[in-house]
Amino acid sequence: SAVISQKPSRDICQRGTSLTIQCQVDSQVTMMFWYRQQPGQSLTLIATANQGSEATYESGFVIDKFPISRPNLTFSTLTVSNMSPEDSSIYLCSVELAAGANVLTFGAGSRLTVL
Amino acid sequence: RKEVEQDPGPFNVPEGATVAFNCTYSNSASQSFFWYRQDCRKEPKLLMSVYSSGNEDGRFTAQLNRASQYISLLIRDSKLSDSATYLCVVSDGTGRRALTFGSGTRLQVQP
Repeated sequence: SAVISQKPSRDICQRGTSLTIQCQVDSQVTMMFWYRQQPGQSLTLIATANQGSEATYESGFVIDKFPISRPNLTFSTLTVSNMSPEDSSIYLCSVELAAGANVLTFGAGSRLTVL
Repeated sequence: RKEVEQDPGPFNVPEGATVAFNCTYSNSASQSFFWYRQDCRKEPKLLMSVYSSGNEDGRFTAQLNRASQYISLLIRDSKLSDSATYLCVVSDGTGRRALTFGSGTRLQVQP
């Protein structure tokens, strides 16, 4: 197993500001993903974080709003830009520990509240 | 139609009861299937993978019917600690390795 550290664990932000969430894994992983879980909802995939190249975004999510970095195989960041109250959510980093297994392990999540 | 649909829940059952959750998926190309468990205010964690022949892990039994695009989870002898939300999860059937999560079924086991 691996340890996935996300920070901040929670934050309260003002409308119009941006927040960067960090995800650190204690081992090298090929696949890293960012998910969002809105209040009372299930998880929605935002994007796949690709090492050394632009992230692959799902329908409804764009790079300008959710820029993602993946400088190496153990670290990624997700920025929520120009936040509005609708962005209040839990943002979860996930990794595929065993290549090809298609099984995800999640970080503890970052709970974001936008006022 | 949602890609992954689950029983709406919540399920309130007494300790020791047997409870079954159902899930249907729309993407016939999906190849991998899972049940995840999510405790309140926690991240989802893998409960078990679901194999074509069906599989069992202690009190938990998962079944897959590819023809009907249907997945089930059976929990026998429910414990208080089984109280959680159970998420049905399927792969998207492409090389992207992305997973699609159902909206979850909440289980509350009562003493």
